[in-house]
Amino acid sequence: DSGVTQTPKHLITATGQRVTLRCSPRSGDLSVYWYQQSLDQGLQFLIQYYNGEERAKGNILERFSAQQFPDLHSELNLSSLELGDSALYFCASSVDRLEDEQFFGPGTRLTVL
Amino acid sequence: QQQVKQSPQSLIVQKGGISIINCAYENTAFDYFPWYQQFPGKGPALLIAIRPDVSEKKEGRFTISFNKSAKQFSLHIMDSQPGDSATYFCAASINNNDMRFGAGTRLTVKP
Repeated sequence: DSGVTQTPKHLITATGQRVTLRCSPRSGDLSVYWYQQSLDQGLQFLIQYYNGEERAKGNILERFSAQQFPDLHSELNLSSLELGDSALYFCASSVDRLEDEQFFGPGTRLTVL
Repeated sequence: QQQVKQSPQSLIVQKGGISIINCAYENTAFDYFPWYQQFPGKGPALLIAIRPDVSEKKEGRFTISFNKSAKQFSLHIMDSQPGDSATYFCAASINNNDMRFGAGTRLTVKP
């Protein structure tokens, strides 16, 4: 158990809908990272937050957004969902943005029908 | 855009054998090269990592070899065990930001 929690574990929704994925980092970790893992694209970095502020952006679509709250938990919002958004979404956390090891959560499996 | 190329896609090794997975990168600004292990239904977990100022790092049965001039690095798993059967990802990043992952190698260790 990495200490990172993600909810929900599974999510099934329809095209055009909006969903919110939630992540609670390990106690004491200030950085949160979001990743998407799909069969065709592999594991891709989406976005990083450090202590409430956006620090780095990767291959995140404009339909997707994220935020980190004062209690350090983070939410990833996915809107206008398409079939191709079906994937595993992982959250990871680390102590701070220069600390190397990122601890991954168990992931949220999103299925868009 | 893939900046880290990983091979092979899949690997079958006998118990006790050596598993070798290779990665090549393009961006010379990368300064951190981790390897992650992922079991089905789980998130990736850091296995071992290296910075470009060293050519080799060993932790137990796991060794990273790093060739800066060739822009290549590899993972060696000595005395491979059935419990090592998993998918392995190499990755590269600058200051732990925007981590770029290889496509993954599915390792099967036969008893």
